Amino acid sequence: KAGVTQTPRYLIKTRGQQVTLSCSPISGHRSVSWYQQTPGQGLQFLFEYFSETQRNKGNFPGRFSGRQFSNSRSEMNVSTLELGDSALYLCASSRGQGGSPLHFGNGTRLTVT
Amino acid sequence: QQQVKQSPQSLIVQKGGISIINCAYENTAFDYFPWYQQFPGKGPALLIAIRPDVSEKKEGRFTISFNKSAKQFSLHIMDSQPGDSATYFCAASWGQGAQKLVFGQGTRLTINP
Repeated sequence: KAGVTQTPRYLIKTRGQQVTLSCSPISGHRSVSWYQQTPGQGLQFLFEYFSETQRNKGNFPGRFSGRQFSNSRSEMNVSTLELGDSALYLCASSRGQGGSPLHFGNGTRLTVT
Repeated sequence: QQQVKQSPQSLIVQKGGISIINCAYENTAFDYFPWYQQFPGKGPALLIAIRPDVSEKKEGRFTISFNKSAKQFSLHIMDSQPGDSATYFCAASWGQGAQKLVFGQGTRLTINP
């Protein structure tokens, strides 16, 4: 069974630009969550989508948004990039029921210059 | 109240020894406590998880000990091997928000041969 696939692996953007990251979950998984990982703040929850609806949201500004498609694939968008948005963005999928284990992808490394 | 505090930040253990990582939480609503292992360039991978109705769970060389009254839980790695060298994260979540994990800051474990 293929794991969680994130594209692209690396991305370099300039302040003020916007970026879209993509995530393909494990087949059969209906929940996709996004996390930001930085050395200073660690792993922080961004949001979760289940059956195309945002089910949970973390404490990030509105510049961070996401969506989920009918095939469970998800995209995350960050608008008006700031230097502090440089991070590893991780996508995780699960079946979506309480306690279902999260399976993480290898992330997209975003660098904002 | 949403924090999970993890210690130590880094740990060096001799091959064959026992590695112990500790976590503490405040939110008594947490009811799911997973541990993740992350290698450089990879996403976190679920190692083992526990719910508060049991005090210990063992899977191979990995054991979670859970103390509900103290609001603490720990990971024990028996017979530690160089291949166990990685960063370990504890996490917690609750109810339908089980996909919304609150992570500890991580422990960088090094096993010396």
